[in-house]
Amino acid sequence: NAGVMQNPRHLVRRRGQEARLRCSPMKGHSHVYWYRQLPEEGLKFMVYLQKENIIDESGMPKERFSAEFPKEGPSILRIQQVVRGDSAAYFCASSPVTGKQETQYFGPGTRLLVL
Amino acid sequence: DAKTTQPNSMESNEEEPVHLPCNHSTISGTDYIHWYRQLPSQGPEYVIHGLTSNVNNRMASLAIAEDRKSSTLILHRATLRDAAVYYCILRPSGGGADGLTFGKGTHLIIQP
Repeated sequence: NAGVMQNPRHLVRRRGQEARLRCSPMKGHSHVYWYRQLPEEGLKFMVYLQKENIIDESGMPKERFSAEFPKEGPSILRIQQVVRGDSAAYFCASSPVTGKQETQYFGPGTRLLVL
Repeated sequence: DAKTTQPNSMESNEEEPVHLPCNHSTISGTDYIHWYRQLPSQGPEYVIHGLTSNVNNRMASLAIAEDRKSSTLILHRATLRDAAVYYCILRPSGGGADGLTFGKGTHLIIQP
């Protein structure tokens, strides 16, 4: 059973471009979470999605960031008009159920560098 | 949300036991205590979780104080591969986001 997959692993963008980060959850998992880790900082929750639904986006920046988890295909975190402050590692996690006990399984992350 | 307090860093020698403390004095009765770790340049990895009783698995043991205001992650025989940042996380009771709230964690350094 393959783990959580993220691609690309590294992404370089110039200011003003768009960044698309993809996350394929573990087989059988229908819950996806995105986290951001700025340089030398801890991980911050961004958004929680189930298939075709955004459940909680309380950690998402108000502008330029969006996320989706379509019925078919991977979850996408989209950052429009990137700025240097968006440079960070973005991690995706998945879980089979939700609740206080469930474990989240993390992917290897996408490291975004904005020039 | 209930908060956790961990030392910024700890150092240990290879093949010795490591005890990583976590204080959570405002924990509520239904909060579970989870531990994750993040190895360098990798995503976080689940280690263990518990509610009231001590827990053991192949990676570690979790000792929970009787009043649940603190817990200790125990690595029985540390290896160089255990060098990582260890996060103690409470899952909040009630509704709200299911996202994990990571603090600064404890940076564990293993000396050969």
